Amino acid sequence: DGGITQSPKYLFRKEGQNVTLSCEQNLNHDAMYWYRQDPGQGLRLIYYSQIVNDFQKGDIAEGYSVSREKKESFPLTVTSAQKNPTAFYLCASSRDGDYEQYFGPGTRLTVT
Amino acid sequence: EDQVTQSPEALRLQEGESSSLNCSYTVSGLRGLFWYRQDPGKGPEFLFTLYSAGEEKEKERLKATLTKKESFLHITAPKPEDSATYLCAVRGTQGGSEKLVFGKGTKLTVNP
Repeated sequence: DGGITQSPKYLFRKEGQNVTLSCEQNLNHDAMYWYRQDPGQGLRLIYYSQIVNDFQKGDIAEGYSVSREKKESFPLTVTSAQKNPTAFYLCASSRDGDYEQYFGPGTRLTVT
Repeated sequence: EDQVTQSPEALRLQEGESSSLNCSYTVSGLRGLFWYRQDPGKGPEFLFTLYSAGEEKEKERLKATLTKKESFLHITAPKPEDSATYLCAVRGTQGGSEKLVFGKGTKLTVNP
């Protein structure tokens, strides 16, 4: 089955710790994205990558970092510099930047 | 700045009671309007892409239409399994083709 996998589904961390969220796709898509979803707000773009070894900041990149060493993988690190890290994180991919995006199941991160 | 406003925020229907969800947008050069369905705790599921005014797309009980200022998602004879949050997003010409701007969604509940 082709699709996007995110792990883990739930993640709990203490304040001050960095945490890495996994995103893998086997759709052979070039572009990958990370979004954050908070209650009562629309999805907001954190980072995106249109090609391996290249990525750009989205609207809310502060406190986050990414890498794109393989076409299939786009991990997101939530650093201790992120002021309000508790949220639902969604990874997406698309054939390229002009096509519809397909989403993974999400990771709910709770930081206390 | 591109903007998307969805209305109503929440909608309750009886099974079989047809209705429409609205997505109003302002964008500098529309390069696509996207509809997604999102179930609680899950990632959004892609439904439709519309590119130009007058375009319509259908899938089962759902029909999406597009004008120059808004899109409607018509739901005909809904069933309880249609209950979900429906998200609308636009892609404009500013900020690169990768950026989608999402609305906050309409939460639809269909009672049996």
